[in-house]
Formats: sequence, structure tokens, C-alpha cells
Amino acid sequence: GAGVSQSPRYKVAKRGQDVALRCDPISGHVSLFWYQQALGQGPEFLTYFQNEAQLDKSGLPSDRFFAERPEGSVSTLKIQRTQQEDSAVYLCASSSDRVGSYEQYFGPGTRLTVT
Amino acid sequence: AQKVTQAQTEISVVEKEDVTLDCVYETRDTTYYLFWYKQPPSGELVFLIRRNSFDEQNEISGRYSWNFQKSTSSFNFTITASQVVDSAVYFCALSEAGYGGATNKLIFGTGTLLAVQP
Repeated sequence: GAGVSQSPRYKVAKRGQDVALRCDPISGHVSLFWYQQALGQGPEFLTYFQNEAQLDKSGLPSDRFFAERPEGSVSTLKIQRTQQEDSAVYLCASSSDRVGSYEQYFGPGTRLTVT
Repeated sequence: AQKVTQAQTEISVVEKEDVTLDCVYETRDTTYYLFWYKQPPSGELVFLIRRNSFDEQNEISGRYSWNFQKSTSSFNFTITASQVVDSAVYFCALSEAGYGGATNKLIFGTGTLLAVQP
């Protein structure tokens, strides 16, 4: 079946612009995660949804970052007033809620460059 | 706090050599999961394996094998007879059990870049 898809794959934004990154999880997957991956680093957790409920947003770096998943499927990560330090790859992952099936499947990521 | 350490930043081997990637983790949870992911140059993270904290059996899948030792908090990954296509960044990750809506977010190490030379 289809995997996790993300769009756009690349985004260049001028400092101060707002951006919106989209994630389409694997069909039927209840859990959805956003991660941020800086160059040469491992991914770092941003936020987590179970269906439409945002259960954990402890990793969001500032109040400029906002995520939603209104119908429990597609999710959008929005960054307001982008700063240079927001430049990174933003990864989305989804997983099933079946007991014992906790592996997360990742999308290709959106590479955000803030100039 | 949970933490994953991958002390090897880069490893370079010649094709057909065996190579072991080290992973050491820290957690106070008694139930947790360990993972390995591969990130090829294309950038997409590919799931390789998940291990439960209560199952210390080692696992082999083709040229890949994993050695999980709770006594040393390690979950090492060995590639036998490496191939050029194995060249990638490999990440070890840890998560809590995630029951009842708790976040089973992944805590990643910093990754090991494996370069397999022909």
C-alpha cells in the first residue's frame, strides 16, 4: 500500500514568512508524529496525535509552531514568522495502534530553508 | 530521562567486511522498545527492526543481526559481508511503551554514517 507522503518536498521561505507543511499518513494509522531533523543530527520529536487529538506537543520549540489534524487523517505543521534556526528537515511518521505494533513509518520529509 | 548514544560518528569499510554499529541507551522505564532505522542518501528513514525490553533474544535477518543486552544497556547492529548499498546513516532509537494514549515518541541517537567502499 501507499506509504507516508509529505508535501512540499522542498520549501524556501524568507525570514518572517509563514509556512505550512502537509503530511498524509498511511491509511488507517491512528498515531501521527512530527519530528525535526537538523543537518547531521538525529530526528527530534515535535508533537504527537492520536486520531484528531494532539496528545503531546512538548517538543514544539516555540509558540510559532502549530500542528493540527482536524479529521484524524491528514496533518499540517505550520510555522509562523520563520527564523533561520527553523531550517531543517521536517519528518512525519505514522503508526498503527495495534498492541505490540509500535514501529513508526516515516515520510520522505520536507526540507525547509529559511533565507 | 531517556537517552540514546551512538559513539561512532563515521565508519568506513571495504565491501565484504563485517561491521558492527554500537548503540547504548538510558531509560528508567521497565518496559520500552528499541529500534534501528536506516537513512540512505535519499533521506527517507527506513524501519529495520523493533525489539521489546522483555525479549533479549538476538535476531538475524539475512546479512543483518542484532545483539540486545539489558545488562549493558546496549543494542548493537552487525552487518555481515557489507555491500555498497549498505552505505547510509543508521539510527538507533528508544521509546516508552506508549500504552493508554501515552506518547511512544522515538528518542534517536545522533546516527552513524557507514561508508562501504567497493
